[in-house]
Amino acid sequence: SQQGEEDPQALSIQEGENATMNCSYKTSINNLQWYRQNSGRGLVHLILIRSNEREKHSGRLRVTLDTSKKSSSLLITASRAADTASYFCATSYGNNRLAFGKGNQVVVIP
Amino acid sequence: DTGVSQDPRHKITKRGQNVTFRCDPISEHNRLYWYRQTLGQGPEFLTYFQNEAQLEKSRLLSDRFSAERPKGSFSTLEIQRTEQGDSAMYLCASRMGGLDEQFFGPGTRLTVL
Repeated sequence: SQQGEEDPQALSIQEGENATMNCSYKTSINNLQWYRQNSGRGLVHLILIRSNEREKHSGRLRVTLDTSKKSSSLLITASRAADTASYFCATSYGNNRLAFGKGNQVVVIP
Repeated sequence: DTGVSQDPRHKITKRGQNVTFRCDPISEHNRLYWYRQTLGQGPEFLTYFQNEAQLEKSRLLSDRFSAERPKGSFSTLEIQRTEQGDSAMYLCASRMGGLDEQFFGPGTRLTVL
């Protein structure tokens, strides 16, 4: 069953602005991962945060994890047109199988 | 390109026909996953292999679905007697044991008419 639930589900921003997406989940996790999917294509892994971590950075990406609230956020700074995609959070369970949310569609307007 | 390949990329079939998809994972990855993604939704887990052993199957994997990974390398997913509800993107992912990141293939888009 789907665990992650992203909010908001659609976001339209100007190039250069920051984009923030939130994700909530229901049960204990091993880790939480964010993926990007360009239209009709496979998923690309962006960043992973473990259950004992609170914040992680990778380039223009910043992810936070609040296990007490069972929520995570992904921040993309200084967005670019190439960031236009769907973004999914996924929680990892036994055998590292992933449970994905419905995704956020982000459109960056040049 | 993540290094995971899937074939075919697109498949159109008529209801009741059988279809088979192939996934070639990154060569040193011994863990392999299949997911299904319908329009507007996130991927849903179908099944998991460690080497050639199928260790976990989702309840989504009905009796019409079968997956194999002979010799622990490539994997196939077969759907028998396809139904319109099987129309979806079928994604394969692989990872190396001990590491968490999964690498996804481009997917096979199935359309059942």
